[in-house]
Amino acid sequence: ETGVTQSPTHLIKTRGQQVTLRCSSQSGHNTVSWYQQALGQGPQFIFQYYREEENGRGNFPPRFSGLQFPNYSSELNVNALELDDSALYLCASSLDGNSYNSPLHFGNGTRLTVT
Amino acid sequence: GESVGLHLPTLSVQEGDNSIINCAYSNSASDYFIWYKQESGKGPQFIIDIRSNMDKRQGQRVTVLLNKTVKHLSLQIAATQPGDSAVYFCAETPDSSNTGKLIFGQGTTLQVKP
Repeated sequence: ETGVTQSPTHLIKTRGQQVTLRCSSQSGHNTVSWYQQALGQGPQFIFQYYREEENGRGNFPPRFSGLQFPNYSSELNVNALELDDSALYLCASSLDGNSYNSPLHFGNGTRLTVT
Repeated sequence: GESVGLHLPTLSVQEGDNSIINCAYSNSASDYFIWYKQESGKGPQFIIDIRSNMDKRQGQRVTVLLNKTVKHLSLQIAATQPGDSAVYFCAETPDSSNTGKLIFGQGTTLQVKP
């Protein structure tokens, strides 16, 4: 069984630039959720994708957007990067958008630094 | 508002002792709770979950207790080992229609002394 994989592992960008982060879900999982984790904090929900559509969104501005592909992999795009966007971005997969029997399984994240 | 908090930022225990990590939540409508363990440089790892129709659930060396009356959640780790050293997060689902949207607490750092 393949777990959740994310790429790249580290990334440095300049304020105002755009970034794309990628995630491959665990085999058998069709739902992907994205979280932002600032240093010393708990993860914060950005949004979730289920069957290629956004299925719930947290308190993040529209410059945070995403995609899910037919193979259930996903991308997180952030436009007009700000210094406060520096964080660990976590992807998590699960089976179906609402399943108590399928808790989220997280990848190891992408560490984004905005300078 | 939606918030999940933990009572202590750091817990230090002796190897072999039992550990208890506490968590308070504010949303009485939450009906699903999860504990995650996060080691340095890694993503959160699922430990155990519990639904609001249960008071207690046991796993391997771990037990989660839920007290809905006072909105309190705890994680008990038996015979704590050095490998248990990590940051522990409790999380709740305030929206039963979307269990992928979790509200995480700040985390408690567990330090295991040899």
